[in-house]
Amino acid sequence: SQTIHQWPATLVQPVGSPLSLECTVEGTSNPNLYWYRQAAGRGLQLLFYSVGIGQISSEVPQNLSASRPQDRQFILSSKKLLLSDSGFYLCAWSVQSGKYEQYFGPGTRLTVT
Amino acid sequence: QKEVEQDPGPLSVPEGAIVSLNCTYSNSAFQYFMWYRQYSRKGPELLMYTYSSGNKEDGRFTAQVDKSSKYISLFIRDSQPSDSATYLCAMSLFSPKSGTYKYIFGTGTRLKVLA
Repeated sequence: SQTIHQWPATLVQPVGSPLSLECTVEGTSNPNLYWYRQAAGRGLQLLFYSVGIGQISSEVPQNLSASRPQDRQFILSSKKLLLSDSGFYLCAWSVQSGKYEQYFGPGTRLTVT
Repeated sequence: QKEVEQDPGPLSVPEGAIVSLNCTYSNSAFQYFMWYRQYSRKGPELLMYTYSSGNKEDGRFTAQVDKSSKYISLFIRDSQPSDSATYLCAMSLFSPKSGTYKYIFGTGTRLKVLA
């Protein structure tokens, strides 16, 4: 069976500090990978998606970047965090031909102080 | 105008009530319509999906799509306290740019079922 891991679960970081969130998927090959941010009242905002190693597409301009160094690893980074980066970050995967189902990780709650 | 609109709630109902959750959308190109359930501090999980107008039933849950009105609904019969969660509608369409399906989520409706 497939599983998706995210860590850390909770993170409190000062403004201006760097960020690295990691997501790994087990039990599947060549998945599409996604990073979302969920803020209260704003739903799930797609930040990045990847259809393969090294292939990253950004949906919104922002202070964040993503990388996919391995087939089942997806990393969300920032060089300098802003207060507005606070939120609940969710990683998700789908099969390449997926039309309706995404599988979400447990999320990372980031608070920038 | 947002592509997908969803009332954030919160919605409080007594145990056993029928719950109706709704979303409207503006893009007629959407092909698949989904409902996800998200418990507090967890990731969303897929409840149901459909791709055509009409009803689809799964146990106590019924998903309804009206493409002519651009309106989707999720009905929960005999609601239970364990149904207390945030329910997100979602829609997808094929993106030629990426060669994959693009997903758009509603903001979610918080539901509380009171025992």
